[in-house]
Amino acid sequence: GAGVSQSPSNKVTEKGKDVELRCDPISGHTALYWYRQSLGQGLEFLIYFQGNSAPDKSGLPSDRFSAERTGGSVSTLTIQRTQQEDSAVYLCASSLGISGPSDTQYFGPGTRLTVL
Amino acid sequence: AQSVTQLGSHVSVSEGALVLLRCNYSSSVPPYLFWYVQYPNQGLQLLLKYTSAATLVKGINGFEAEFKKSETSFHLTKPSAHMSDAAEYFCAVTSSPYSGAGSYQLTFGKGTKLSVIP
Repeated sequence: GAGVSQSPSNKVTEKGKDVELRCDPISGHTALYWYRQSLGQGLEFLIYFQGNSAPDKSGLPSDRFSAERTGGSVSTLTIQRTQQEDSAVYLCASSLGISGPSDTQYFGPGTRLTVL
Repeated sequence: AQSVTQLGSHVSVSEGALVLLRCNYSSSVPPYLFWYVQYPNQGLQLLLKYTSAATLVKGINGFEAEFKKSETSFHLTKPSAHMSDAAEYFCAVTSSPYSGAGSYQLTFGKGTKLSVIP
């Protein structure tokens, strides 16, 4: 079956511009996570969705970052006024959301964001 | 807070040799532990996970890991390395089931890059 997909695969933008990153989770997965992978910081959690609500936004690094999920499916991560330190690979993962901490999270291929 | 430490950012082994990638965790409650593999320019793929059902966990591609509570370890092994095993490996832990946070985000180690020498 189809896995988690993300678009675009690569995004190059200029400092100060806004960007939107998209995630299509596996069909039927109610839990959705965004992570960021960078050389300096490794893999970091950003935000968690259960259905359309986001009960845990504790990993968002600043108020320039926001995310939404509609129809319990597609999620969009928006970064406003991008800065060079936002350059990273943004990974999305989804899981069934029924087994709590033992749920397997399935990852998409990521979006590589480069801010010039 | 839970955390994992991976010893060795780079490990090189000869083809056919034993692979041993180390992971130690820090947790005040029983953890749920995962090993993921990342091939170049790809997302993460689950190799195996520990969920307290059995201390020796077998995963895909011939990998296995043993949960040792006394050593707070969850090392990943494979008896014989293949060239195709060259990748980066991440150990991860999820938050306690008692936290009540409802969010089970993964906390990752820094990763170990495995090179396989022909």
